Amino acid sequence: EAGVAQSPRYKIIEKRQSVAFWCNPISGHATLYWYQQILGQGPKLLIQFQNNGVVDDSQLPKDRFSAERLKGVDSTLKIQPAKLEDSAVYLCASSLYLTDTQYFGPGTRLTVL
Amino acid sequence: QQQVKQSPQSLIVQKGGISIINCAYENTAFDYFPWYQQFPGKGPALLIAIRPDVSEKKEGRFTISFNKSAKQFSLHIMDSQPGDSATYFCAARPLGGGSNYKLTFGKGTLLTVNP
Repeated sequence: EAGVAQSPRYKIIEKRQSVAFWCNPISGHATLYWYQQILGQGPKLLIQFQNNGVVDDSQLPKDRFSAERLKGVDSTLKIQPAKLEDSAVYLCASSLYLTDTQYFGPGTRLTVL
Repeated sequence: QQQVKQSPQSLIVQKGGISIINCAYENTAFDYFPWYQQFPGKGPALLIAIRPDVSEKKEGRFTISFNKSAKQFSLHIMDSQPGDSATYFCAARPLGGGSNYKLTFGKGTLLTVNP
């Protein structure tokens, strides 16, 4: 069974630029999550989708971050414009349903200069 | 507000020793307590999980101990091996309701097992 795929694996941008991350969850998984993991900290949930609907985006900085999951499969997370404090690893995870085990992708390491 | 407090921040253990990582939580609505293992350059992977209706769960060399009254739970790694060297995260999740089953993670413990 293929795992959660993410791309790119690494991204370096200047502050105020925009960036997008892509996630392909495990086939058949209805729930998709985006987490931000700052160095030395645990993952923090940014947004959670159930199929193509948003379940929770209470910790998503909506003035600069946006995410979508069209057709309830792949998802993209966008930051526009980026700030220095956005430097982190962005993890995508998926689960079969809301209460099931979450499976994480390898993450995208973002560096904002 | 840090809802899940994890300690220690780092831990060095000799091969064959016991590694112990502790977590404490504040939200009494938490009803599911997983531990995740993360290797460098990889995403976290579920290691073992417990629900508060039991006080201990063991899977191979990994054991979770749970103290509901103290709102604490811990991970014990018996016979620690160099391959166990990784960052370990405890987490907690409410059973349901307004929090939408959201996982809250501790800050992590970097475990190094020396050969």
